[in-house]
Amino acid sequence: GPKVLQIPSHQIIDMGQMVTLNCDPVSNHLYFYWYKQILGQQMEFLVNFYNGKVMEKSKLFKDQFSVERPDGSYFTLKIQPTALEDSAVYFCASSGGDQDTQYFGPGTRLLVL
Amino acid sequence: GEQVEQLPSILRVQEGSSASINCSYEDSASNYFPWYKQEPGENPKLIIDIRSNMERKQIQELIVLLDKKAKRFSLHITDTQPGDSAMYFCAASDSNTNKVVFGTGTRLQVLP
Repeated sequence: GPKVLQIPSHQIIDMGQMVTLNCDPVSNHLYFYWYKQILGQQMEFLVNFYNGKVMEKSKLFKDQFSVERPDGSYFTLKIQPTALEDSAVYFCASSGGDQDTQYFGPGTRLLVL
Repeated sequence: GEQVEQLPSILRVQEGSSASINCSYEDSASNYFPWYKQEPGENPKLIIDIRSNMERKQIQELIVLLDKKAKRFSLHITDTQPGDSAMYFCAASDSNTNKVVFGTGTRLQVLP
């Protein structure tokens, strides 16, 4: 089936540093999403993105977070500066349209020390 | 209202029996309800979904029911197998916001 790729698979950084998580969505998809999952807990919606703009974001999407997809390349989530509570697995997802199936990437495991 | 409640949090069943997971949502504008299965260390994978114009959908051993009036939906796995052991998440989506809210998850263990 369609595949979403995420780079890197793991990232360890010191608190206060910047991190960029990269997502390579399914090629013809138009809607992109980021979710945060702390080990063993539920997936929590962060943000969705369409046509170069953030459509909806949750309370978890702090001011330190930003997303972009410059020139149709990777869909990125940047955290600057990072905090200890940002440690989690971040999943990217993409879909072809409103409520079409969201395909999830394998996740990036972020550890902030 | 953006909560999706999911129960039970842990479910243990004997192989061959059925398993049921129940979810309720608050946002009456929700009209799409996917179910995801997540194995340890893996990403969530869609296993079945239902839209608000349906009350029941079945794919092989998976059955989903939707009661829009009560704002409840459920997943039923008939004839469970050890390979069904995983985390299961329900979710509710509103086409106006295109935002998916996940339930809190159910850890299903199918015992041999």
